[in-house]
Amino acid sequence: DTAVSQTPKYLVTQMGNDKSIKCEQNLGHDTMYWYKQDSKKFLKIMFSYNNKELIINETVPNRFSPKSPDKAHLNLHINSLELGDSAVYFCASSQGFQGGYTFGSGTRLTVV
Amino acid sequence: EDKVVQSPLSLVVHEGDTVTLNCSYEVTNFRSLLWYKQEKKAPTFLFMLTSSGIEKKSGRLSSILDKKELFSILNITATQTGDSAVYLCAPLVDWGKLQFGAGTQVVVTP
Repeated sequence: DTAVSQTPKYLVTQMGNDKSIKCEQNLGHDTMYWYKQDSKKFLKIMFSYNNKELIINETVPNRFSPKSPDKAHLNLHINSLELGDSAVYFCASSQGFQGGYTFGSGTRLTVV
Repeated sequence: EDKVVQSPLSLVVHEGDTVTLNCSYEVTNFRSLLWYKQEKKAPTFLFMLTSSGIEKKSGRLSSILDKKELFSILNITATQTGDSAVYLCAPLVDWGKLQFGAGTQVVVTP
């Protein structure tokens, strides 16, 4: 039933490791996003895809690589994790670019 | 540089009180303004405002946009403890990008 689902919900890992977060939506939306919410609670966009095509790529270290195998999935791979990557990562989806996102429940990443 | 400022940053009220949350913005290519409520996890959508001066209502919540003065207000009347959350204001700009403010933390005490 879950509209936008992310896995895992929690991720604790050591510096230098590589990890992936997966996101799937069953709403039939054509646009998906990754947002990062840091310790100060600001939500900032990282990437967006529309019909598997990269649309937004904000100033994000190239250690972060999104991949969209199809319209319903948007995964985030992070190489060489750093302490500053610790945050909650939210996936979201929308139909077109009109806002009104549906967010996933977030993945809390802790780098130690 | 785009700027979204929400005020107050936090407030504590008693059940039954009315709260007014403010959001001012300066962004490029403004399309509309959205409000979200964030409890423990995912933000949930409240309102999308595109036109100035037209109040949107949902139960005890209402919101209005002023595109000339570049601000929006979210009102919550007869607050309940379930209204305790962070309320996020987010102008929508190009390509579906939401520019979130820092949020207002609302705590409603019994």
